[in-house]
Amino acid sequence: GESVGLHLPTLSVQEGDNSIINCAYSNSASDYFIWYKQESGKGPQFIIDIRSNMDKRQGQRVTVLLNKTVKHLSLQIAATQPGDSAVYFCAEKDSGYSTLTFGKGTMLLVSP
Amino acid sequence: EAQVTQNPRYLITVTGKKLTVTCSQNMNHEYMSWYRQDPGLGLRQIYYSMNVEVTDKGDVPEGYKVSRKEKRNFPLILESPSPNQTSLYFCASTPEGGTNNEQFFGPGTRLTVL
Repeated sequence: GESVGLHLPTLSVQEGDNSIINCAYSNSASDYFIWYKQESGKGPQFIIDIRSNMDKRQGQRVTVLLNKTVKHLSLQIAATQPGDSAVYFCAEKDSGYSTLTFGKGTMLLVSP
Repeated sequence: EAQVTQNPRYLITVTGKKLTVTCSQNMNHEYMSWYRQDPGLGLRQIYYSMNVEVTDKGDVPEGYKVSRKEKRNFPLILESPSPNQTSLYFCASTPEGGTNNEQFFGPGTRLTVL
């Protein structure tokens, strides 16, 4: 809910701009990555995923880029809309485990 | 409608009074898990279950119990809640044992322990 956004890095953009949200991960054994969107008062919602054998994957208005060399993941949102305002989390999964490890999140604020 | 439901959505209780937060999914998913979400710490896994009668500790299991007697339900039990368990709790489920598939999250339960 509303307290999730406290202490988070924040990205503020204008409606129509492209947004780029970044995530660094530390486990070189991670082989699966997901981006989630969490709106105020709701649970996280799946946006897009990518496996480690890919470096780019596109969805509707969203693109995820994976750079395994520097262990970096990014989410690009094209033509950002006010409805995109939310907290965005990356999550990674180690090939040897069933659980996901979540990043701390980035708050995206889109102004009209 | 495919969904994960949690009850209650909001709960205020006192230290030491046992409580249970229920979680139910109607998607026949094998894998279910519980997370807590705290400001500045993100989502941390409490417990997870690969299937009926199979449960394992996540990253922060202390003070919690779970059970998985049937596939659709995965209750979270706080035998003796303490103020440091004040948090926002999410249940999630995933098909096929949680491997390389998206997790479906419930709407969350906001717990306050006084």
